[in-house]
Amino acid sequence: QLVLTQSPSASASLGASVKLTCTLSSGHSSYAIAWHQQQPEKGPRYLMKLNSDGSHSKGDGIPDRFSGSSSGAERYLTISSLQSEDEADYYCQTWGPPLVFGGGTKLTVL
Amino acid sequence: QLQLQESGPGLVKPSETLSLTCTVSGGSISSSSYYWGWIRQPPGKGLEWIGSIYYSGSTYYNPSLKSRVTISVDTSKNQFSLKLSSVTAADTAVYYCASMVGGPTRYWGQGTLVTVSS
Repeated sequence: QLVLTQSPSASASLGASVKLTCTLSSGHSSYAIAWHQQQPEKGPRYLMKLNSDGSHSKGDGIPDRFSGSSSGAERYLTISSLQSEDEADYYCQTWGPPLVFGGGTKLTVL
Repeated sequence: QLQLQESGPGLVKPSETLSLTCTVSGGSISSSSYYWGWIRQPPGKGLEWIGSIYYSGSTYYNPSLKSRVTISVDTSKNQFSLKLSSVTAADTAVYYCASMVGGPTRYWGQGTLVTVSS
């Protein structure tokens, strides 16, 4: 069964960089994922599709500060030059079907 | 650009059927480029996939909800719908309609809160 694991929380300072991790369960290390951002009291927003080779395609209007990378079963979202509006929940997702979401990481910008 | 908008009652009584509709604009619901789905988020919790429907009419449902869920498409209105039967308080959530393009959920509706309460 495919499971996506995310750390519940992360924090970083304004202007710094942060790297969020999504880990695919055993046997699924070749899967692509998507990253979504959910700002407080808003609906989710698609950030990017991230392939196992680290190539990624971003959604419309997503700043260059957001990038993705991969290593084995790990999928990463790196946000550079952190801004206050980056404080949000970040979810990773795969699709099959079934669609599967990670539990989300709450990012705090200090 | 594709836009999606949920509509339906915000309050449903326990044991009744929750019914929501998603209206699609900026693209055709019959297009093979997209497939459509429903995702929900209980208050303070994460995202849960409910089910999806493809342009062919094939449907896929979350096994945990499968016995209670029906997703259908109305091509004449460019809409798709969700029905969830025998609801309980555990079904209280923000319900999002969404469109998947090449796999991931690329477009999201703004979401609608449905509360199950007598």
